[in-house]
Amino acid sequence: QKEVEQNSGPLSVPEGAIASLNCTYSDRGSQSFFWYRQYSGKSPELIMSIYSNGDKEDGRFTAQLNKASQYVSLLIRDSQPSDSATYLCAVKFASGGSYIPTFGRGTSLIVHP
Amino acid sequence: EAQVTQNPRYLITVTGKKLTVTCSQNMNHEYMSWYRQDPGLGLRQIYYSMNVEVTDKGDVPEGYKVSRKEKRNFPLILESPSPNQTSLYFCASSPPDNSPLHFGNGTRLTVT
Repeated sequence: QKEVEQNSGPLSVPEGAIASLNCTYSDRGSQSFFWYRQYSGKSPELIMSIYSNGDKEDGRFTAQLNKASQYVSLLIRDSQPSDSATYLCAVKFASGGSYIPTFGRGTSLIVHP
Repeated sequence: EAQVTQNPRYLITVTGKKLTVTCSQNMNHEYMSWYRQDPGLGLRQIYYSMNVEVTDKGDVPEGYKVSRKEKRNFPLILESPSPNQTSLYFCASSPPDNSPLHFGNGTRLTVT
């Protein structure tokens, strides 16, 4: 059973701070990693994809991947109240020549003014 | 515009009345999947399909059926809905490679 683990939170940070969201996964063969943001009652929205070890930056978001530790994180700099949402970590693992996604349960982030 | 379209967005029905939630994608994706989402439980996969006429059970398939007769469509069928199927449902699609999933806008189903 492929597993993706996230702390459910809520993670509460003040406006302007750095929010750090973490995710671990069980399958060492996993190839691709994604972070989605989901507002209550809305569909998940892709915010970051990362495929190789290291950091990937996009605006205020930085994804960090460490395959040896089976760990992927998302940093949100200068957090804003509009960043308050649930963040889903997703991992695709290889299966029979295709890639199957597995999701964590999500971390709730609250950014307070 | 590349998109995954689900219909209806909201549905209220009664126990035992068969219903179908449609899902269609215009990106020529091989992989399609249905999820349900309940508070505190995250996204749980119901069924998925790797291609036309190829479907597999996910983590919570009981009470649901799917079909994949065409590449673009992947309807979710509830033959005899029950109140415990009240939930928010999402359809998603992707190529069979490392690319991310694209989600539909969701269907809020209430079974009374």
